[in-house]
Amino acid sequence: NAGVTQTPKFQVLKTGQSMTLQCAQDMNHEYMSWYRQDPGMGLRLIHYSVGAGITDQGEVPNGYNVSRSTTEDFPLRLLSAAPSQTSVYFCASSYRAQGLDYGYTFGSGTRLTVV
Amino acid sequence: KQEVTQIPAALSVPEGENLVLNCSFTDSAIYNLQWFRQDPGKGLTSLLLIQSSQREQTSGRLNASLDKSSGRSTLYIAASQPGDSATYLCAVRWDGGSQGNLIFGKGTKLSVKP
Repeated sequence: NAGVTQTPKFQVLKTGQSMTLQCAQDMNHEYMSWYRQDPGMGLRLIHYSVGAGITDQGEVPNGYNVSRSTTEDFPLRLLSAAPSQTSVYFCASSYRAQGLDYGYTFGSGTRLTVV
Repeated sequence: KQEVTQIPAALSVPEGENLVLNCSFTDSAIYNLQWFRQDPGKGLTSLLLIQSSQREQTSGRLNASLDKSSGRSTLYIAASQPGDSATYLCAVRWDGGSQGNLIFGKGTKLSVKP
């Protein structure tokens, strides 16, 4: 039972480059999300999805794109990397049962540096 | 604005002490509140999830309480151990928010000295 798997674990990008952070879960959770964690700022929601084919913006969506073609995968794309996107990125998933949220599971994170 | 505050930012205690971590939140219309643990360089591990209709949850040496009317939650750790050293994060989903969307506090960094 792998839970939430994020790849890569570390990445260095040059300003202006693009890349995709991968996130996959094997728990059949309908909800998936991306957070970034910055010193002094805590975790902030970037984008989220409540099911395949459905995505929406969180608190800090600018500069990022997402898509959800399957229940399992929720990749995060950086369109043109900027130094302000240097951060640790976490993917999370959860499910609903009887009208309540359960099973919040986080990946181990991707540490991204933009130079 | 809906916010979650955790005070203190850091706490150091000797092994064996019972301790309480605090979390306060604006707006009492919460959907659920959750406590996470984060070890350095690692992801988040869910410790306790309290639904809006509940007052507390317990798991082993951990007990989390919720008082919506005062906008507060506490995480009680009994008989602390050095292995409890980590950052503890409080997160809230508010009514009207989308499924699963959480607002996090900035955490309390706990150090338990042998």
